[in-house]
Amino acid sequence: GAVVSQHPSRVICKSGTSVKIECRSLDFQATTMFWYRQFPKQSLMLMATSNEGSKATYEQGVEKDKFLINHASLTLSTLTVTSAHPEDSSFYICSARGMDTQYFGPGTRLTVL
Amino acid sequence: GEDVEQSLFLSVREGDSSVINCTYTDSSSTYLYWYKQEPGAGLQLLTYIFSNMDMKQDQRLTVLLNKKDKHLSLRIADTQTGDSAIYFCAESTLNQAGTALIFGKGTTLSVSS
Repeated sequence: GAVVSQHPSRVICKSGTSVKIECRSLDFQATTMFWYRQFPKQSLMLMATSNEGSKATYEQGVEKDKFLINHASLTLSTLTVTSAHPEDSSFYICSARGMDTQYFGPGTRLTVL
Repeated sequence: GEDVEQSLFLSVREGDSSVINCTYTDSSSTYLYWYKQEPGAGLQLLTYIFSNMDMKQDQRLTVLLNKKDKHLSLRIADTQTGDSAIYFCAESTLNQAGTALIFGKGTTLSVSS
């Protein structure tokens, strides 16, 4: 099946710093990518939908200035958590839309100290 | 809004069948999905069913769809300890950004030997 990678898989940062997470579709082109956030023992919460070459569409309650999304090519979308705080600590998962479904990356564990 | 409900826990013995149930609300969902998540990992697509189908079988997995009751189930035959994971049901729905997936909270399957 289609492969989606995320980098880094785990990141620990100090409060106030910014962190960039990359999501790549490795063997297919994805005009649409999605970013999810998952809290422990919770479901995935859709944060935003990213379309190549246009601005991301954010879900209600997600701060667009806090979570910057860039989808500059058909195989790469980035999520930047700006001025991260401990409450931003979470598991961030991206997915890329393929022919018949979404293919998920392995996730990035962000810990903000 | 759209909602997907699942029971939170299921415990079975190795070799038994597991049945995980899910209800959804969006009657216009084109596809319904089952994903598996192992600890600390991303989501793995297990199987999906098109909304005009009643049943789909794929090796040990059987998906049943009752569109009238908006009920979806996943049966795992001959459950193994390696099947222990969280299983997410998801429906496809249209939002302002296009098609998105709405996930249930996940069912934790525990398989004892």
